[in-house]
Amino acid sequence: DGGITQSPKYLFRKEGQNVTLSCEQNLNHDAMYWYRQDPGQGLRLIYYSQIVNDFQKGDIAEGYSVSREKKESFPLTVTSAQKNPTAFYLCATHRDRSYNEQFFGPGTRLTVL
Amino acid sequence: GNSVTQMEGPVTLSEEAFLTINCTYTATGYPSLFWYVQYPGEGLQLLLKATKADDKGSNKGFEATYRKETTSFHLEKGSVQVSDSAVYFCALSDKGSNYKLTFGKGTLLTVNP
Repeated sequence: DGGITQSPKYLFRKEGQNVTLSCEQNLNHDAMYWYRQDPGQGLRLIYYSQIVNDFQKGDIAEGYSVSREKKESFPLTVTSAQKNPTAFYLCATHRDRSYNEQFFGPGTRLTVL
Repeated sequence: GNSVTQMEGPVTLSEEAFLTINCTYTATGYPSLFWYVQYPGEGLQLLLKATKADDKGSNKGFEATYRKETTSFHLEKGSVQVSDSAVYFCALSDKGSNYKLTFGKGTLLTVNP
């Protein structure tokens, strides 16, 4: 069954802790993206990767880090430097550099206690 | 840079009413335009798209026409159902932005029986 898997669906973190959100895809898509969604603000791009072992900062990369060691995986680490990490995080993939649409995972809701 | 402005919500309609959600854009190139839908607690799903001027995208009774002269891509449906209740996002991508998506802030639609 092709698709994008994000885990966990809900995540709770204490202040000062780093936490890693998982994103796995079996669509064989080259590009992967991480977005943050806050109420009333739409989606904002955190990081993206167009090829294995390469990634670029998006609009709000501060306090986040990523890696792209495999085509299928693009984990996002929310570090303690991120001052307001409570949000809904969405992973997406894009087949190639064209006008084709992005496909989204089901999301992870992170809450800082 | 690119930007998308869409009608602020929330929008509340009765079942079988006509729906319009306005979307206008600013882009330096020739973008592709998209409408995504997000049901509660889920990721985004592509609803429809248009890749060039005067194209009409359509899906599940929803339609939107790419109007280059007015830089608009308004979403319409002739008769909404309760199951259409969701958040709707207008978005664009173009070669100049390396095909990254730029989103509007989203419009919450609630359809009452």
